Amino acid sequence: EVQLVESGGGLVQPGGSLRLSCAASGFTFSSYWMHWVRQAPGEGLVWVSRVNSDGSSTTYADSVKGRFTISRDNAKNTLYLQMNSLRADDTAVYYCARDRSGSYTGFDYWGQGTLVSVSS
Amino acid sequence: EIVLTQSPATLSLSPGERATLSCRASQSVSSYLAWYQQKPGQAPRLLIYDASNRATGIPARFSGSGSGTDFTLTISSLEPEDFAVYYCQQRSNRPPTWTFGQGTKVEIK
Repeated sequence: EVQLVESGGGLVQPGGSLRLSCAASGFTFSSYWMHWVRQAPGEGLVWVSRVNSDGSSTTYADSVKGRFTISRDNAKNTLYLQMNSLRADDTAVYYCARDRSGSYTGFDYWGQGTLVSVSS
Repeated sequence: EIVLTQSPATLSLSPGERATLSCRASQSVSSYLAWYQQKPGQAPRLLIYDASNRATGIPARFSGSGSGTDFTLTISSLEPEDFAVYYCQQRSNRPPTWTFGQGTKVEIK
């Protein structure tokens, strides 16, 4: 059974840092692109970042470029999101998601999400 | 940047009725479009990938159509568990990035 379990969320002050983790199991983690998607309270889904299967290529939404870093450890089956210079508008539930293999688009498995709150 | 516009914002229907949800892209996205369902307090669930392909385990009452800039998600006969928010999503290349529409809420009339 495919499972994605996020952790690392919490309350942080503006300007602070946080690292999110996503532990993957039930599939060959090293074969899939992975993503982070966020959702502010009461709002819609926003794609944040993507990393390719071996970690050599990353892309970011403009809103987080230069502040967030996505990475992965295929030996540990874990995806990360390092978040620096956090702002109030980064407050959201952060989901990790697996990119569906063999298609142009579609995230076929999602974690349950971890809440990040940025406030003084 | 490609913008996805979903309509209507809210759709009020009764169980058994047909639901037709629209997603329009600001420029062509070919067939690089997916649809998701999200219920309160839950993660999104992939329904349709590549515009018209049902994901694993998705009932046949869900169908997707369209290409280029205009896409439709149809639920042929609403079941009680289908009342939720639905999002479309597109992928751009060079570099690869993704965007979501703002969502359509399907509520019980």
